[in-house]
Amino acid sequence: TQLLEQSPQFLSIQEGENLTVYCNSSSVFSSLQWYRQEPGEGPVLLVTVVTGGEVKKLKRLTFQFGDARKDSSLHITAAQPGDTGLYLCAGGPNFTNTGNQFYFGTGTSLTVIP
Amino acid sequence: DAGVIQSPRHEVTEMGQEVTLRCKPISGHNSLFWYRQTMMRGLELLIYFNNNVPIDDSGMPEDRFSAKMPNASFSTLKIQPSEPRDSAVYFCASSLIGSAEAFFGQGTRLTVV
Repeated sequence: TQLLEQSPQFLSIQEGENLTVYCNSSSVFSSLQWYRQEPGEGPVLLVTVVTGGEVKKLKRLTFQFGDARKDSSLHITAAQPGDTGLYLCAGGPNFTNTGNQFYFGTGTSLTVIP
Repeated sequence: DAGVIQSPRHEVTEMGQEVTLRCKPISGHNSLFWYRQTMMRGLELLIYFNNNVPIDDSGMPEDRFSAKMPNASFSTLKIQPSEPRDSAVYFCASSLIGSAEAFFGQGTRLTVV
């Protein structure tokens, strides 16, 4: 089983602040995804990163994949209450023609206070 | 498309009873995953199917758990007999083989008393 550790586990910040969430593993991943989960709902995909060193931006969210493809970070600029939720990273080490296998990180619960 | 559909949304049952969770994947998807989410352990992969065939069930906690996928549009996860420690939110997700994105249902919140 691939282990993905996220930090911090909980984060509570004021609206307008910046934050960074980290996802680390000792394993190399063919791709890494970030999901956001709201209460009572399933996780929803935000982004997929594939190339080591890749940076992707989604409005105020910036995602980076580590050069060695073992870690990733999510940076949110000027956080808003609508960003509140559980952020999950997921790795797909078994990316073969026989199927996908996604392992999820431990999660970061973000609360943005108005 | 309505997305991944799970039923029921909530289930409360007594210890020892049989519980069956149901999932309808997105039409055309050929991979289906069952996950369990708890505060302590996060999102755990229980089992996944490709083209209706179970590929990896190493995450199934014990023999009380079983999963089937009789056709491309339906899967079940059964717990028999249920125990209080099985209380969790169970998610079903589907994807296309070769895709790096999984689509999740809204989950079934199971409470075993």
